[in-house]
Amino acid sequence: DSGVTQTPKHLITATGQRVTLRCSPRSGDLSVYWYQQSLDQGLQFLIQYYNGEERAKGNILERFSAQQFPDLHSELNLSSLELGDSALYFCASSPRGVNEKLFFGSGTQLSVL
Amino acid sequence: GENVEQHPSTLSVQEGDSAVIKCTYSDSASNYFPWYKQELGKRPQLIIDIRSNVGEKKDQRIAVTLNKTAKHFSLHITETQPEDSAVYFCAASPGGSNYKLTFGKGTLLTVNP
Repeated sequence: DSGVTQTPKHLITATGQRVTLRCSPRSGDLSVYWYQQSLDQGLQFLIQYYNGEERAKGNILERFSAQQFPDLHSELNLSSLELGDSALYFCASSPRGVNEKLFFGSGTQLSVL
Repeated sequence: GENVEQHPSTLSVQEGDSAVIKCTYSDSASNYFPWYKQELGKRPQLIIDIRSNVGEKKDQRIAVTLNKTAKHFSLHITETQPEDSAVYFCAASPGGSNYKLTFGKGTLLTVNP
């Protein structure tokens, strides 16, 4: 167990819908990252937050947004869902957010039907 | 932005043999190079990392080498065991305030008993 908690584990929804994925980082970690994993694209970096503020952005679609709350948990919001959004979404955390080990959660498997 | 290429995409070896996975990166500012192992259905976990001021690092049967001039780094696993079977991801990060860990697409390693 990495100490990073992601909910829900599985999510099945329809095209056009909106979902929210939740992540609680390890105790004491200030930085949270979101990654999308699909078979053909590997682990794609979406976004990073550090102590409530956005620090780095990857190839995150405009339909996706995220935030980190004062208690350091983070949410990833995916809207106007398309079939191609089906993937495993990982959250990871680290203490400081720079060149250090990432601790991954167990992921949320999103299926868009 | 950073681009990380990883080869081979699949690798099959006999138990006891060595395995080598190679990665190249594009951003000369990258200075942190971790390797993650992801077993089937599990989360990625860090197995070893190297920083740009070091050319080689070992941890028991695992070693990583870095050639900054050529912008490539490699993972070496000696005396492979069936439990080494997994997908291995290399990654690179420029560090600093613009921390974006970019992953390669992964190598599926199969160790045959």
